[in-house]
Amino acid sequence: TQLLEQSPQFLSIQEGENLTVYCNSSSVFSSLQWYRQEPGEGPVLLVTVVTGGEVKKLKRLTFQFGDARKDSSLHITAAQPGDTGLYLCAGGSNYKLTFGKGTLLTVNP
Amino acid sequence: DSGVTQTPKHLITATGQRVTLRCSPRSGDLSVYWYQQSLDQGLQFLIQYYNGEERAKGNILERFSAQQFPDLHSELNLSSLELGDSALYFCASSLSPGSANSYNEQFFGPGTRLTVL
Repeated sequence: TQLLEQSPQFLSIQEGENLTVYCNSSSVFSSLQWYRQEPGEGPVLLVTVVTGGEVKKLKRLTFQFGDARKDSSLHITAAQPGDTGLYLCAGGSNYKLTFGKGTLLTVNP
Repeated sequence: DSGVTQTPKHLITATGQRVTLRCSPRSGDLSVYWYQQSLDQGLQFLIQYYNGEERAKGNILERFSAQQFPDLHSELNLSSLELGDSALYFCASSLSPGSANSYNEQFFGPGTRLTVL
């Protein structure tokens, strides 16, 4: 069974701070996706990384896929209240996505 | 708006009952996925259909079944409901079915919140 562990589970910070959330597994994935989910809504895809060592930037968000394609990180610079939400990583292999349980981020003004 | 629609938004029913959840994928997408999200288990993959055919199965109970129709909409049927089936049920769609070595970007609907009393 493939498992994705996300840390931290909860994170509460002040506006303007930087943060990093992690997604780790003992399994190799062909792709790693990051989603953000707001209360009462479905997850929204932020980015997909497919190559070991790949780094992608989306405005203030930086995503990295580990060299061995078993782990990933999401770094947010100068967090804003609008970044508040549940961040989910998902590993792709064998026709399906396996989701981590998520990091619940709260950015206080 | 992802383009994926799900109905109903909320569903309240009793133990032992049967319900049907409906999903319409994004225009052009051939693949539909069903997920269950609960506080303790997170987002769990249930089943995938591609162009009407079952493609992959996850942690789907025998009391649950799904199908994809010729117009590509999908229905998830939950029967003999138990209190523990209360959860958010999401449908997602993608253009391709994915494969063992390639990824497929999935777009999620707004979900159906099922409450079993």
